Amino acid sequence: DIQMTQSPSSVSASVGDRVTITCRASQGISSWLAWYQQKPGKAPKNLIYAASSLQSGVPSRFSGSGSGTDFTLTISSLQPEDFATYYCQQANSFPLTFGGGTKVEIK
Amino acid sequence: EVQLLESGGGLVQPGGSLRLSCAASGFTFSSYAMNWVRQAPGKGLEWVSGIVGSGDSTNYADSVKGRFTISRDNSKNTLYLQMNSLKDEDTAVYYCAKARSSSWQFDYWGQGTLVTVSS
Repeated sequence: DIQMTQSPSSVSASVGDRVTITCRASQGISSWLAWYQQKPGKAPKNLIYAASSLQSGVPSRFSGSGSGTDFTLTISSLQPEDFATYYCQQANSFPLTFGGGTKVEIK
Repeated sequence: EVQLLESGGGLVQPGGSLRLSCAASGFTFSSYAMNWVRQAPGKGLEWVSGIVGSGDSTNYADSVKGRFTISRDNSKNTLYLQMNSLKDEDTAVYYCAKARSSSWQFDYWGQGTLVTVSS
């Protein structure tokens, strides 16, 4: 199974800050990676697919990069509505696996 | 507008069975793979099972293999998850999730249905 390791597990940031979340795969997954945002009590929402493609309707302050084993999600200027938990997911092979999540909290 | 509406969750005793449903609308259901993803209370996301658009091929997480069965009825635009021999650790919110075209990344999710396994 491919293990997905996210870091940090939590981050405290202020509105306007640049936030970067890292996701590392235990083996190469090409660009078969997605990022999701989840707010408490809500379903996850897709932000990024194919490592760097922005899902329709998602603000351009979100961006993704990477390929192979190392990936990043960047929020260029944190907004109040961005405080949430973020997950990466590999879609290279079964079983599909998620990272453990990164909680973005208000500083 | 894509909509996914899960139903069928509830309280069940260990060893019992439950069938979840996910009614889909707003897209050509038979053209897309579908999945079940669960989230235990206070925990992260865990993929459970996936099925291709035709229903001919399925995949499962090891934690549910042999106990859960995914299926779909393309004439009814509905996805199912039959859950047997339920364990305490199956307690979670179960989401259905639509896969993107030619990928197992999920572009739309339902609101989830809670399954509680407890005596």
